[in-house]
Order: sequence, then C-alpha cells, then structure tokens
Amino acid sequence: GAGVSQSPRYKVAKRGQDVALRCDPISGHVSLFWYQQALGQGPEFLTYFQNEAQLDKSGLPSDRFFAERPEGSVSTLKIQRTQQEDSAVYLCASSLGGTWDEQFFGPGTRLTVL
Amino acid sequence: AQRVTQPEKLLSVFKGAPVELKCNYSYSGSPELFWYVQYSRQRLQLLLRHISRESIKGFTADLNKGETSFHLKKPFAQEEDSAMYYCALTRSGGYQKVTFGIGTKLQVIP
Repeated sequence: GAGVSQSPRYKVAKRGQDVALRCDPISGHVSLFWYQQALGQGPEFLTYFQNEAQLDKSGLPSDRFFAERPEGSVSTLKIQRTQQEDSAVYLCASSLGGTWDEQFFGPGTRLTVL
Repeated sequence: AQRVTQPEKLLSVFKGAPVELKCNYSYSGSPELFWYVQYSRQRLQLLLRHISRESIKGFTADLNKGETSFHLKKPFAQEEDSAMYYCALTRSGGYQKVTFGIGTKLQVIP
C-alpha cells in the first residue's frame, strides 16, 4: 500500500509569507509526528497527534507554527510570517501505535525562505 | 532532558571491514532505542530497534545501560551500506517524544 505522502515536496516562500504543509499518513495509523530537519542535523521533534488530539506541541519553536489533524487522518503544519531560520526539511511520520512503535516517514517538504 | 550523541559525523571504512557506529544517550527513565537509516534519495526508515533483538542486513545493536550506549555494528561492510544513520531514543511504554541524534554518514570505500 501507499506510504506516508507529503505535499508540496518543495516550497519557496518570501520572508513574511504564510505556508501550509500537508501530510497524508498511512491509513489506520493512530500516531502522527512532525519533525524539522535543518541542514546537517537530525530530525527535531515539533509535535505529536494521537488521532485528532494534539498531545504534545512542546517542540513548536514559536507561536507562528500551528498544526492540526481535524479528522484524525490528514495533517497540516502551518507556518505564519515565515522567517529565514524556518528554512529546513519538514518531515512527517506516522505509526500504528505510540512513540515506541516504528515510525514510517514521508519524503519531506523542503522549505526555503528567501 | 533526554539526549542522543553520535560523536562521528562521517565514518569511512573499506568494503569488508568491520563497522561500528557509536550512539550514547542520556535519559533518566527506561529507554527504547532505535537506529534509522536514510539511503541516498530515499526516505528515513527503521533499521532496527533494541527490543526486537533482530539482526537486519547484518547489523546488530546492543543496549548497554551501564555505559548508556547503543552502538550499531556490522562485521563486514558492504558498499550498499553507505547511508546516513540516525540513533533515536524514546521511553519504553507510555508517551515520550522521540529524540534523534545528529546522524553519522557511513561511507564504504570499494
């Protein structure tokens, strides 16, 4: 079956623009995670959903970052008033169970803020 | 706070030589450790986790709680092992966010 998909794959935004990144997890996966990966770094946790509930948003770097998963399936990560330091690859992952389960990653969205 | 340390950003070995990718962690609870791998132009995927005690593609990793380490080993490196390897840590049972290390790029020289 299909794996985790993300769109767009690449996004270029001017500083100050708002962006929305989409994640389609594997069907039936309860858990969904967002990570930010800067160049030369490992994935950094942003937020975690269990079905539609956002149980942990402690990794969101500022109130410009907002995530939702309203029906417990597709998720959207929104970044308002983008800054240059937001440039990174944004990874989405899903798992059947919780954080102790294998995570299946999407291909990522590369965001470049000019 | 939990932390994962991968001291080598790049590890180069010759084909057929043994490989050891180091991972040390800092965590006060009961840890669950993983190794994820990213091959060129592919997405991040699970290689192995300590609880399963499996050998995947010839790789093994043993959790050493005394040394707080989870090093990844393979006795004979293959060219197809060239990739980025990330060590990851979470809590065993219950919720805890997953913390990834910075990653080690393994380069197997033919």
